[in-house]
Amino acid sequence: EPEVTQTPSHQVTQMGQEVILRCVPISNHLYFYWYRQILGQKVEFLVSFYNNEISEKSEIFDDQFSVERPDGSNFTLKIRSTKLEDSAMYFCASSGQGVHTGELFFGEGSRLTVL
Amino acid sequence: GNSVTQMEGPVTLSEEAFLTINCTYTATGYPSLFWYVQYPGEGLQLLLKATKADDKGSNKGFEATYRKETTSFHLEKGSVQVSDSAVYFCALTVRSGGGNKLTFGTGTQLKVEL
Repeated sequence: EPEVTQTPSHQVTQMGQEVILRCVPISNHLYFYWYRQILGQKVEFLVSFYNNEISEKSEIFDDQFSVERPDGSNFTLKIRSTKLEDSAMYFCASSGQGVHTGELFFGEGSRLTVL
Repeated sequence: GNSVTQMEGPVTLSEEAFLTINCTYTATGYPSLFWYVQYPGEGLQLLLKATKADDKGSNKGFEATYRKETTSFHLEKGSVQVSDSAVYFCALTVRSGGGNKLTFGTGTQLKVEL
């Protein structure tokens, strides 16, 4: 069964360092997303990506964040200069042709700890 | 804007007990409604969905009915098992140009004990 895969599963970094989280969406999907979940809080939308550009982003997704699809398979989230409050679980998701059915397929998440 | 409110957890039940997790929503437009589940150490998985009023989503013994008049989508299961222990998220999406941006509730942790 196709699945979304994310790496790393856990990353610890120092404040101010750059972090890149990687995702391999399901191969025939067209929409890609990043969500995050701060410990004990709700899952929050960060950004959606379609046709090689950002289609929507939240207020959380400021200039410190960027996304890229560098090749035909990977989808990355970069945080340029991490802050303590960026510590969270980051989930990648993808969805396919039937976008209005609403189903997103999520990866297992990348836990980011900023010290 | 869009928002989802669900009951706080943790909810602790004995095996074979009846489960209800309440979920209400506000939305601009006509949303599709979902329940996602997160088992320990895993990602979010779609449990069930409903895309229009009075639809009933069901899967693995869980059910939820889209109630437009009460803006609710409560999750129910007649007899829970220890393996149902997980965090359950109610979510909605409204059709937009941004694909399927989901708005989640805070999640409800369910613990099922023998």
